[in-house]
Amino acid sequence: GAVVSQHPSWVICKSGTSVKIECRSLDFQATTMFWYRQFPKQSLMLMATSNEGSKATYEQGVEKDKFLINHASLTLSTLTVTSAHPEDSSFYICSARQRPNLNTEAFFGQGTRLTVV
Amino acid sequence: AQKITQTQPGMFVQEKEAVTLDCTYDTSDQSYGLFWYKQPSSGEMIFLIYQGSYDEQNATEGRYSLNFQKARKSANLVISASQLGDSAMYFCAMREGRWISASKIIFGSGTRLSIRP
Repeated sequence: GAVVSQHPSWVICKSGTSVKIECRSLDFQATTMFWYRQFPKQSLMLMATSNEGSKATYEQGVEKDKFLINHASLTLSTLTVTSAHPEDSSFYICSARQRPNLNTEAFFGQGTRLTVV
Repeated sequence: AQKITQTQPGMFVQEKEAVTLDCTYDTSDQSYGLFWYKQPSSGEMIFLIYQGSYDEQNATEGRYSLNFQKARKSANLVISASQLGDSAMYFCAMREGRWISASKIIFGSGTRLSIRP
């Protein structure tokens, strides 16, 4: 299957700082990438849909200014958590899909565990 | 609005037995896709199986099969001959719009499967 690489796999940062998470599709072009957040023992909650060359579409209740998403190329989307606070500590995971075809599987990155202290 | 329901928070199964993980969904769309993903403790999301709403036959992938009952809006995952390595969280997910690259994938609350030796 296609490979999605997410970096870093874990990060610890101080409260008030910003953290950037990268999501790369290594062997395919991803016109659309998705960012999810997962609290311990809970499901994946969709935060936003990232479209190459245009603004991201955020889900209701997700702060656009807090979670900045940039999808500058067909293989890279970034999520920046700005002015992070302890309540932002969570597992963030991205997924990407190839151009529309019969195989509509979404490929996931390895996830990033963010801890804000 | 779409919704995925997994009613089994946790399950214990004896090794080598078959297990069925329940999933029901709700959508007003005629075209949609259903997925099952496995998430081990490492956090990665592992794609298991996909069923399109127009697929007449139930999907199968090795030991995994999807019992798709469209009229009942259920998409249960069946794992045959369970193995210790099957212990993980299992998520049912749904995507609306088969040909729309930006269609969202949303997840159920998950079922934690534990295999007893």
